[in-house]
Amino acid sequence: NAGVTQTPKFRVLKTGQSMTLLCAQDMNHEYMYWYRQDPGMGLRLIHYSVGEGTTAKGEVPDGYNVSRLKKQNFLLGLESAAPSQTSVYFCASSRRRVEQFFGPGTRLTVL
Amino acid sequence: TQLLEQSPQFLSIQEGENLTVYCNSSSVFSSLQWYRQEPGEGPVLLVTVVTGGEVKKLKRLTFQFGDARKDSSLHITAAQPGDTGLYLCAGARDSNYQLIWGAGTKLIIKP
Repeated sequence: NAGVTQTPKFRVLKTGQSMTLLCAQDMNHEYMYWYRQDPGMGLRLIHYSVGEGTTAKGEVPDGYNVSRLKKQNFLLGLESAAPSQTSVYFCASSRRRVEQFFGPGTRLTVL
Repeated sequence: TQLLEQSPQFLSIQEGENLTVYCNSSSVFSSLQWYRQEPGEGPVLLVTVVTGGEVKKLKRLTFQFGDARKDSSLHITAAQPGDTGLYLCAGARDSNYQLIWGAGTKLIIKP
């Protein structure tokens, strides 16, 4: 069991570039989440999904889009990256609403 | 607005000492979870408390949920260097899919 995996682990973008972060889970969890973590601010929810084909906005959704075409995958897209999106991004999944399992994170720097 | 306040923000103590960290809110939660995050990794769930006044023990770690289900504490007995990490609390409310996260307590245990 790999649990929750994220690709890539690191990425450097220039302002205005686009990219997609991939999250995959092999635990057959219904719920999946994308967070960003910034120093002193804890985890902030970007978007989440309660099942295949569904997505919803979290606390800080602006500048991001998501898709959940397959139950095991949750993609996070940045259409036009900005320096304010420099952060560490975590994906999580859960069988129920609580007790989330996290991936190892993606460190993104936008220059 | 930080709905879950964690204190202290930072704690550095010697191996063998005891410590308590706190997670406080003015809101009532249906459950509260504690996670530990090590540098470069995602958070890992330690425990979930559900009932007001509930106490759970995990080896040298004792978790308590307040009677009114608005606050929680984590007590570590005889801290060890392996306890070093960022401790996060997260509260769940029945009315919302999102967890409410605290900003974390960074704990360093010196040998």
